[in-house]
Amino acid sequence: AQSVAQPEDQVNVAEGNPLTVKCTYSVSGNPYLFWYVQYPNRGLQFLLKYITGDNLVKGSYGFEAEFNKSQTSFHLKKPSALVSDSALYFCAVRDSAGNQFYFGTGTSLTVIP
Amino acid sequence: EAQVTQNPRYLITVTGKKLTVTCSQNMNHEYMSWYRQDPGLGLRQIYYSMNVEVTDKGDVPEGYKVSRKEKRNFPLILESPSPNQTSLYFCASLPGWNTDTQYFGPGTRLTVL
Repeated sequence: AQSVAQPEDQVNVAEGNPLTVKCTYSVSGNPYLFWYVQYPNRGLQFLLKYITGDNLVKGSYGFEAEFNKSQTSFHLKKPSALVSDSALYFCAVRDSAGNQFYFGTGTSLTVIP
Repeated sequence: EAQVTQNPRYLITVTGKKLTVTCSQNMNHEYMSWYRQDPGLGLRQIYYSMNVEVTDKGDVPEGYKVSRKEKRNFPLILESPSPNQTSLYFCASLPGWNTDTQYFGPGTRLTVL
């Protein structure tokens, strides 16, 4: 069965420090991986995706993510956190043969001034 | 402006009273989908549609119906709502290739009393 795990419900980081939001996945076939961000009272916004190629993917707002096939992980990272990065982050996966999307439970990121 | 719209944005209803949440996209996307978001459970896919007149169940289809008579519209129907369907609902669309990102609507907060 396809699944996505975000092991941390909450991540706190000081402004200016690097941040990491973790995601691991389980899919059959090649995974297509996505990160989305949700601000309060808003829909989800796309940040970045991994389809194939370079394991380090760069996305919007200075975010990047590293695909690690052996660890089945796709952690979201940013070198220097901003207070405005505080939001709910979702990892999602779609397997190459299927038509469904699977989301993690979300990680609430708080950047402390 | 390219967008996904949902109506209503907020709805309070009573058990058993049929309701429809509309979803419309103006991007000529083939794929449309409905999700519900619940605390601690993330987003779960209810139904999706690969194209007009083609719909499939997601992970949590029980108690919901959908139709796709036109490419732009994908209404979600609750024939007999129950309190366990109280949730935040999102509609999403994407062009059709499985590598594409989804565009999300603003959400509909439904309360069933």
